[in-house]
Amino acid sequence: DQQVKQNSPSLSVQEGRISILNCDYTNSMFDYFLWYKKYPAEGPTFLISISSIKDKNEDGRFTVFLNKSAKHLSLHIVPSQPGDSAVYFCAASAGDSSYKLIFGSGTRLLVRP
Amino acid sequence: DAGVIQSPRHEVTEMGQEVTLRCKPISGHNSLFWYRQTMMRGLELLIYFNNNVPIDDSGMPEDRFSAKMPNASFSTLKIQPSEPRDSAVYFCASRTGTSGYNEQFFGPGTRLTVL
Repeated sequence: DQQVKQNSPSLSVQEGRISILNCDYTNSMFDYFLWYKKYPAEGPTFLISISSIKDKNEDGRFTVFLNKSAKHLSLHIVPSQPGDSAVYFCAASAGDSSYKLIFGSGTRLLVRP
Repeated sequence: DAGVIQSPRHEVTEMGQEVTLRCKPISGHNSLFWYRQTMMRGLELLIYFNNNVPIDDSGMPEDRFSAKMPNASFSTLKIQPSEPRDSAVYFCASRTGTSGYNEQFFGPGTRLTVL
């Protein structure tokens, strides 16, 4: 039972354009959402997060949007850069077990020069 | 800061052998996590320690798996005996505090291959 789903295994965009990575979840108890980025042969690194009391969080070129009614979140990268090419994981946690991150399967982003 | 350190980075062993993976968390972090990443199941939590005490081991797949944290700067994940289906990348992560809002810092992982 996949509680966090990333339905697009891969995405290719042109440098300078917007990258939009999507994530859906099924557990209505999730109240905190995170995006991690992973380069080959490295561990995931934290990128940005959002609490369920917000619908948007922005950090430089990265913005995460949360639509609670649709149980959907998205990560926008503007403008995309070749160095953004990596696998992006969406993760979620629920308040009473907030240490436990449930990860999606990841989306591989390729930013073409 | 050195970040989370894991050793070995790669391990190839034969079925039935004992495997020990090691992790040194970031100094000052009091929470430690072991994850496993496979193609089939993605990235999943195996066990969570807080202040060296195992809090949640519900993700440990079988009794063949065991984890210890004898002190704040060292943890091991042991598989005995190992099986080919244990082949995966194993990540260790650490963070401060107990709140889920605190970022987890991941190590580079150990790629385990069981033949």
